[in-house]
Amino acid sequence: GAGVSQSPRYKVAKRGQDVALRCDPISGHVSLFWYQQALGQGPEFLTYFQNEAQLDKSGLPSDRFFAERPEGSVSTLKIQRTQQEDSAVYLCASSLDVSQPQHFGDGTRLSIL
Amino acid sequence: LAKTTQPISMDSYEGQEVNITCSHNNIATNDYITWYQQFPSQGPRFIIQGYKTKVTNEVASLFIPADRKSSTLSLPRVSLSDTAVYYCLVVRAYSGAGSYQLTFGKGTKLSVIP
Repeated sequence: GAGVSQSPRYKVAKRGQDVALRCDPISGHVSLFWYQQALGQGPEFLTYFQNEAQLDKSGLPSDRFFAERPEGSVSTLKIQRTQQEDSAVYLCASSLDVSQPQHFGDGTRLSIL
Repeated sequence: LAKTTQPISMDSYEGQEVNITCSHNNIATNDYITWYQQFPSQGPRFIIQGYKTKVTNEVASLFIPADRKSSTLSLPRVSLSDTAVYYCLVVRAYSGAGSYQLTFGKGTKLSVIP
């Protein structure tokens, strides 16, 4: 597709369940970022990939959060043993390279009950 | 990265020009200024980016004074569809190392009134 695609758009899970969120970046984009956006706040950085290499994961809130991009294209953000405070919109962005503007998907809204 | 400060909210009537000013007092030499727009239930969308003086595209203009401690996003003749949150960000230019995540504040919520 022409833009960054994220799925699912909405995810509801019970506390303690594991969830997986998918991001399809724009074809050919080398850089991929994950952000978390709480209601009424700006997005906050989680992690960054350059091709398949995860170069920065300093924003991941805990070891329950794990991201991968095994073939340098599609990326998955996994959250294990979800907690209520994980409820947020998770945004994925990609760019041609780090010096270019980032293109965002419309996010996955995660609700933990 | 330099912290940015921008108004929490602004109101404007349709057809008016809107100027949103952002301060970034501690901007570094190799930083540039970027603005994003976000509608409800959508991801942020890149609007414009600049280093100094003036940059203009089909959507907006960005004015940056010589000291670069502030910048102003100008939206000409706004319409109802321009109602959104506008984020001012300072972005580090490529230096061959490190991460290049965007650091968002709370942004400016622009409401366009009929």
